[in-house]
Amino acid sequence: EPEVTQTPSHQVTQMGQEVILRCVPISNHLYFYWYRQILGQKVEFLVSFYNNEISEKSEIFDDQFSVERPDGSNFTLKIRSTKLEDSAMYFCASSEAGGSEKLFFGSGTQLSVL
Amino acid sequence: KQEVTQIPAALSVPEGENLVLNCSFTDSAIYNLQWFRQDPGKGLTSLLLIQSSQREQTSGRLNASLDKSSGRSTLYIAASQPGDSATYLCAVKAAGNKLTFGGGTRVLVKP
Repeated sequence: EPEVTQTPSHQVTQMGQEVILRCVPISNHLYFYWYRQILGQKVEFLVSFYNNEISEKSEIFDDQFSVERPDGSNFTLKIRSTKLEDSAMYFCASSEAGGSEKLFFGSGTQLSVL
Repeated sequence: KQEVTQIPAALSVPEGENLVLNCSFTDSAIYNLQWFRQDPGKGLTSLLLIQSSQREQTSGRLNASLDKSSGRSTLYIAASQPGDSATYLCAVKAAGNKLTFGGGTRVLVKP
């Protein structure tokens, strides 16, 4: 089965630093997503992206966050100035279409902000 | 606002026993419901997807039912094995394409 690939698997950074989390969605998919899971909490939606623009974002996704599809294969999440509370597992997902289509998730990037 | 709840939060059973995991959601206007497995510190593995028009889906020892009108889904795992030990998450997809996740049920199958 095709896979969503995320790199790195672990990232440690200092508070205030910028981080970029990278994802390679499944090649024929058109919808891309970021979710996060703080330790011990629910998986939370951050943002969805379609046709080179954000289609929906949650209240978590403030001005410190941005997403980009810089080329035909990568999808990135940038956190401009990390805070301690940004420490979480970040999951990228993609789907072929919207609506009832299944989401495929990557294996996640564990971000630790010190 | 969609809320998804999973009961119980944790479950411990002896090997061979059937597992029953429950998921409830507050807004029945969904596209589909997905069940995932998550191992500690790992990603989300999709187990079953039930479209809103379907009543159940089966894959091997797994069977998931959906009662959209009452806002419930149940995941059955037959003849549990120690390798089934993991956290099981349900998530519903509604308008706007985002998934809303439950808090998960942590399952331990004892040999």
